[in-house]
Amino acid sequence: DTGVSQDPRHKITKRGQNVTFRCDPISEHNRLYWYRQTLGQGPEFLTYFQNEAQLEKSRLLSDRFSAERPKGSFSTLEIQRTEQGDSAMYLCASSQRGARDTEAFFGQGTRLTVV
Amino acid sequence: GQNIDQPTEMTATEGAIVQINCTYQTSGFNGLFWYQQHAGEAPTFLSYNVLDGLEEKGRFSSFLSRSKGYSYLLLKELQMKDSASYLCAVGSGGYQKVTFGIGTKLQVIP
Repeated sequence: DTGVSQDPRHKITKRGQNVTFRCDPISEHNRLYWYRQTLGQGPEFLTYFQNEAQLEKSRLLSDRFSAERPKGSFSTLEIQRTEQGDSAMYLCASSQRGARDTEAFFGQGTRLTVV
Repeated sequence: GQNIDQPTEMTATEGAIVQINCTYQTSGFNGLFWYQQHAGEAPTFLSYNVLDGLEEKGRFSSFLSRSKGYSYLLLKELQMKDSASYLCAVGSGGYQKVTFGIGTKLQVIP
């Protein structure tokens, strides 16, 4: 396992279409985070899973956004009826909860462009 | 909620030392992270401070004062490849929510 993997790396979609992104965390990591990052900004927290449980969801996430982690391994982030404002880099990170919390490792991100 | 402040931009000379400050206000503080992010790439981990004091790791050091809600990242012997954004992030809560600041864009000049 070489790290957090995200697919696709780039996605261009027309406004109004639905998109789905996938994240495969580091295999032994039980925590998984989704972030959104726009140019010149730091990553903004979207949602967080511990195993398969979604423990927190940002108020930034409208009801067009949904995330799942059905078996506590990979996760998907779906955006319905995309808008131009959804254009951003979507980052996934994972970490391991233990005696000493580890840092979060990031994937390379999925860059979404809504035209 | 969390509030994290850091300068948006800094410029420093190759070979010099630069200090990037970060202040935060948060409930349920666990620790403070520093990440480096080159343009167009994912953030990469630099340091994680849980206790007060200075932690040194090669050319990079990170300091934390929990009572003051303050941290800094110190970069020594700057190299051109250190030009990047440096993200301060706070881990908080029982589930270790990680919240990022806006990032400090560091430009290293010859």
